[in-house]
Amino acid sequence: QKEVEQDPGPLSVPEGAIVSLNCTYSNSAFQYFMWYRQYSRKGPELLMYTYSSGNKEDGRFTAQVDKSSKYISLFIRDSQPSDSATYLCAMSEGRGSTLGRLYFGRGTQLTVWP
Amino acid sequence: IAGITQAPTSQILAAGRRMTLRCTQDMRHNAMYWYRQDLGLGLRLIHYSNTAGTTGKGEVPDGYSVSRANTDDFPLTLASAVPSQTSVYFCASSGGRDGYTFGSGTRLTVV
Repeated sequence: QKEVEQDPGPLSVPEGAIVSLNCTYSNSAFQYFMWYRQYSRKGPELLMYTYSSGNKEDGRFTAQVDKSSKYISLFIRDSQPSDSATYLCAMSEGRGSTLGRLYFGRGTQLTVWP
Repeated sequence: IAGITQAPTSQILAAGRRMTLRCTQDMRHNAMYWYRQDLGLGLRLIHYSNTAGTTGKGEVPDGYSVSRANTDDFPLTLASAVPSQTSVYFCASSGGRDGYTFGSGTRLTVV
């Protein structure tokens, strides 16, 4: 079993829909949680970053972390065709002053059609 | 523009040949990583370096080697390429707890 599980999709929604992306994990020591967005033939780019449990909002994007359930989510409101990409969750124990190794989910491919 | 530069962007390589993928960062990050990304398997860590002069093995290190002579450069070498090493390779760096910065990748096809 991988340390981080993510449904690969694909997920296809109409423009304006609310999108929910999710990951589960097994390592209770994870405390740094990230979402990366990867456009076709590009490198992943950091989208959202949260520490420990709770919610974080940035424009149309909301990241949620539930450490008791070992479950993280990314919500996209009013989705746009430009949101079409692969979304990867990532997490780390964060030892000392560094992030250390990031453990990635396999990514969920999202298509938003106009 | 600060970031990571990878070269080449793509390459077709004959099996058995040696190849070095280059990675350079200008952010003075201590930690650097090499991942390969394959359809259905996601990003898998090949090798990493926490600081110049040190390296470590990730989850799929066989057939690959790395060196870290200075802070900025982290080359990945395939000593004798095999078709199973056909993949997209990403270099990344991290300077603290702010997440990784990724390069644009190298698409490698071994024939």
